[in-house]
Amino acid sequence: DTAVSQTPKYLVTQMGNDKSIKCEQNLGHDTMYWYKQDSKKFLKIMFSYNNKELIINETVPNRFSPKSPDKAHLNLHINSLELGDSAVYFCASRRSGSAYEQYFGPGTRLTVT
Amino acid sequence: KQEVTQIPAALSVPEGENLVLNCSFTDSAIYNLQWFRQDPGKGLTSLLLIQSSQREQTSGRLNASLDKSSGRSTLYIAASQPGDSATYLCAVNQGGSEKLVFGKGTKLTVNP
Repeated sequence: DTAVSQTPKYLVTQMGNDKSIKCEQNLGHDTMYWYKQDSKKFLKIMFSYNNKELIINETVPNRFSPKSPDKAHLNLHINSLELGDSAVYFCASRRSGSAYEQYFGPGTRLTVT
Repeated sequence: KQEVTQIPAALSVPEGENLVLNCSFTDSAIYNLQWFRQDPGKGLTSLLLIQSSQREQTSGRLNASLDKSSGRSTLYIAASQPGDSATYLCAVNQGGSEKLVFGKGTKLTVNP
């Protein structure tokens, strides 16, 4: 009965490679997000999708490309990985409206060597 | 640009003590404010959400307050337990943008 799930949990790869992280939510939410938590544990928004449409792109390099095939899924593809991309990436979802919380996935720890 | 500050950055208390975590934000035009806890190596668990029209929310031993005009929120934890040890994050939802802006968190240690 996992609410927001991400795969993989850990990802170790070399510089220059291309990788994807997948996210799925079974909560029936209409908005999904990607956040990045850096080495200093600071969480920052990257992207937000509402009903499969991009509504926030927070000055993220265009090597990062989110894709939302349907309302329950938001995947993150990263091209030409760099050392600075090493971080924990969190997916989140919520129902639109001020009364609704964001729910977070368990995170994907990406290490670029 | 919204900025969220949490003070203190770290707090260590003996078991059983009541404590207050502070959060301040620079732009009072918020949609809601959410408190989370994060355990080491884990994701975020939502604790409480306060809408901009509300003054406080309670859940068990937790009570969160919101003073939008002064740009402040507090999270009160009663009768702290070692299991409360975690990093507590405050995040504000900017009106209309749907995104959360996070503080850097307060790392709480409750000693048995």
